[in-house]
Amino acid sequence: DAGVIQSPRHEVTEMGQEVTLRCKPISGHDYLFWYRQTMMRGLELLIYFNNNVPIDDSGMPEDRFSAKMPNASFSTLKIQPSEPRDSAVYFCASSLQPNTGELFFGEGSRLTVL
Amino acid sequence: GQQVMQIPQYQHVQEGEDFTTYCNSSTTLSNIQWYKQRPGGHPVFLIQLVKSGEVKKQKRLTFQFGEAKKNSSLHITATQTTDVGTYFCAGRGTTDSWGKLQFGAGTQVVVTP
Repeated sequence: DAGVIQSPRHEVTEMGQEVTLRCKPISGHDYLFWYRQTMMRGLELLIYFNNNVPIDDSGMPEDRFSAKMPNASFSTLKIQPSEPRDSAVYFCASSLQPNTGELFFGEGSRLTVL
Repeated sequence: GQQVMQIPQYQHVQEGEDFTTYCNSSTTLSNIQWYKQRPGGHPVFLIQLVKSGEVKKQKRLTFQFGEAKKNSSLHITATQTTDVGTYFCAGRGTTDSWGKLQFGAGTQVVVTP
């Protein structure tokens, strides 16, 4: 299996622009997570889905952030409008609950908002 | 809400030495996981502990879950340069939904040859 695939790997944009990050989880995994990593705040859970349904979005910073999972093999995290404080590495991870509960992380999308 | 704290935040180790990193939760955990993130990389799962007082070993790494299931430790013996990276613990509170895994701030490990 190719693992969790994220795109783009790097994104540089200007404040006010819309940013869309994409994730393809491991086939067969029923949980999908979006995390954000910064030096100041570490790894923060933004939102997670179970069987394509959002379960907990309490970590989503504000209304500028939205996440969707239209099907089992695709999810997006959108920021509109983007701000410099959104600069971070955004990780997508997937998991299969009945197993060890291990999260498989993608390689991340590094976002820089100027 | 639940908070997972890790100490130390930074560990400078001479190659061949041992070190320990600690993880403490403000609430009881149903389980705890450990991950390693190499510089520029992504977190990679190391292990999960579920039982009170559980101890698991992976070669030079020893993981322990406290009796009260509120703390955990990772001990590395005879550190090697390949151990460089940041080690995270991540826990699920007993009242949290399965997917709500909270990560500690991590211990960044630097190894000097």
